[in-house]
Amino acid sequence: GAGVSQSPRYKVAKRGQDVALRCDPISGHVSLFWYQQALGQGPEFLTYFQNEAQLDKSGLPSDRFFAERPEGSVSTLKIQRTQQEDSAVYLCASSEIRGLNTEAFFGQGTRLTVV
Amino acid sequence: KQEVTQIPAALSVPEGENLVLNCSFTDSAIYNLQWFRQDPGKGLTSLLLIQSSQREQTSGRLNASLDKSSGRSTLYIAASQPGDSATYLCAVAMDSSYKLIFGSGTRLLVRP
Repeated sequence: GAGVSQSPRYKVAKRGQDVALRCDPISGHVSLFWYQQALGQGPEFLTYFQNEAQLDKSGLPSDRFFAERPEGSVSTLKIQRTQQEDSAVYLCASSEIRGLNTEAFFGQGTRLTVV
Repeated sequence: KQEVTQIPAALSVPEGENLVLNCSFTDSAIYNLQWFRQDPGKGLTSLLLIQSSQREQTSGRLNASLDKSSGRSTLYIAASQPGDSATYLCAVAMDSSYKLIFGSGTRLLVRP
């Protein structure tokens, strides 16, 4: 596709449920990032992949959050035992070369609501 | 720890006005700075990227400046239009990191 694609666009989860959020980056993009955006705030970094390697997961808020990118393209962000504070928009971004020496392209995000 | 602040948090102007959005950051050792636009329910669209060695970038009616030593950037929008209404986010990438650190954004409303 032409841009970064995320699915689902919206997800409502009951507290305690596990969820999986998908990101399809721009074809050929080496770097992939996940961000969490709370209402009225700017996005906050969660984790970063270079190809299939997860180089930084320092922004993941707890061990309930897990991300993978097994073949260096599609990535999945998994949240186990969701809590109300997990409600946010989860944004995925990809860029062409290593790091951020170039422009990052963002998907439309997945809005997660935990009830 | 790098902190990015955007002022004002919200701005409402009549159509046709020129306006300035401000972004400040506490650690001047940035690699680059980007301005993004976010429409309600949408992702982020990159508007301008300024490398740390640059002073400004221009695209159409938009001009972004960077004063790295004072930790400031401004986004200038000329002849504003209702279609410019959105949230504008400033983000920095650090020398030693590839993460983007965002401000909280400025919500702009351009009234017809």
